Amino acid sequence: AQSVSQHNHHVILSEAASLELGCNYSYGGTVNLFWYVQYPGQHLQLLLKYFSGDPLVKGIKGFEAEFIKSKFSFNLRKPSVQWSDTAEYFCAVNAGSSNTGKLIFGQGTTLQVKP
Amino acid sequence: DAGVTQSPTHLIKTRGQQVTLRCSPKSGHDTVSWYQQALGQGPQFIFQYYEEEERQRGNFPDRFSGHQFPNYSSELNVNALLLGDSALYLCASRGTSGGWQETQYFGPGTRLLVL
Repeated sequence: AQSVSQHNHHVILSEAASLELGCNYSYGGTVNLFWYVQYPGQHLQLLLKYFSGDPLVKGIKGFEAEFIKSKFSFNLRKPSVQWSDTAEYFCAVNAGSSNTGKLIFGQGTTLQVKP
Repeated sequence: DAGVTQSPTHLIKTRGQQVTLRCSPKSGHDTVSWYQQALGQGPQFIFQYYEEEERQRGNFPDRFSGHQFPNYSSELNVNALLLGDSALYLCASRGTSGGWQETQYFGPGTRLLVL
């Protein structure tokens, strides 16, 4: 069965620090990959997505992620975090064109940025 | 342009009761998916509706059922509620004109508490 694993459950950083959140998935075929963010009191929003092409994808608010097929990974990065980045981050996988719409989520990473 | 809307925002039920949650998709979207998000966990896929039919289903018992109406809105019904059904229920919609690369957009959710 497909699964998504996020390595860090709770991350605490100071403003301006660099961020990398790990995400690994288990599925051998074609995958679509997503990072969603849930700010306090708000609904899930799409940060970025990967379907095909350049494995380095850029999203909103300065976030980027790199798809490394050989490592089944899709890590999220940001060079310099801000206090407003405090939120819950979810990695998700959609297993290719034959399984549209069914997103498999990781358990989430809570990011706390200290001012 | 309204995004995905859900009602009610909060609901309290007792064990054994039945509940109906409602979702209106984002304008132009025709596919609706439902997810259950337990506290501290990532969302789990319940099922997806397209053209008024259930197209995919996750690992949820038959107590969970749904419906999609001709205007693409959807309902999630849960019968014989258990304490473990307490969760945030998320609705997500997507269009299909772009094929399987269409992105899902999430609503704010309905918080269900079963006592």
